[in-house]
Amino acid sequence: DSGVTQTPKHLITATGQRVTLRCSPRSGDLSVYWYQQSLDQGLQFLIQYYNGEERAKGNILERFSAQQFPDLHSELNLSSLELGDSALYFCASSPTNGGVDEQYFGPGTRLTVT
Amino acid sequence: GNSVTQMEGPVTLSEEAFLTINCTYTATGYPSLFWYVQYPGEGLQLLLKATKADDKGSNKGFEATYRKETTSFHLEKGSVQVSDSAVYFCALTRGDKIIFGKGTRLHILP
Repeated sequence: DSGVTQTPKHLITATGQRVTLRCSPRSGDLSVYWYQQSLDQGLQFLIQYYNGEERAKGNILERFSAQQFPDLHSELNLSSLELGDSALYFCASSPTNGGVDEQYFGPGTRLTVT
Repeated sequence: GNSVTQMEGPVTLSEEAFLTINCTYTATGYPSLFWYVQYPGEGLQLLLKATKADDKGSNKGFEATYRKETTSFHLEKGSVQVSDSAVYFCALTRGDKIIFGKGTRLHILP
């Protein structure tokens, strides 16, 4: 158990819909990272927050957005969903703003868009 | 820019065989290097890391040495077990950015 929790575990929704994925980092970790894992694209870094502020952006679509709240939990919002958005979405946390820190991954949310 | 290239899988070996999974990187300056492992149905977890040249990371019988001259961080294990079947990711961090390789699926036959 990494100490990172993600909800829901599974999500099935239709094209065009909007969903919110939630992540609670390990106690004390200030950084939260979001990743998308699909069979054809591998593990793609989406976005990082550090202590409530956006710190780094990866391959995140404009239809996707995220935020980190004062209690350090984070939400990833996916809108206008397409079939190609079906993937595993992982959240990870680390104590500081990257560098040599290990990232602790949650168990993921499996999103299926039908 | 920064990048990580690792050997494509799947890699299939018999139990007790020697394992090497190649990883090379491109980065400015001195990145930190990591190997993460993802067991079926789980998130990634850190396997080992090295933060400077010639450092050797090791864990659970796996080893990798940070080779600056060849920009490599190859993962090795002397005798694999069926329980090592998983996907292995090489990664580097440079400042506040982390970059993962595409992952190598390892399948160990009993």
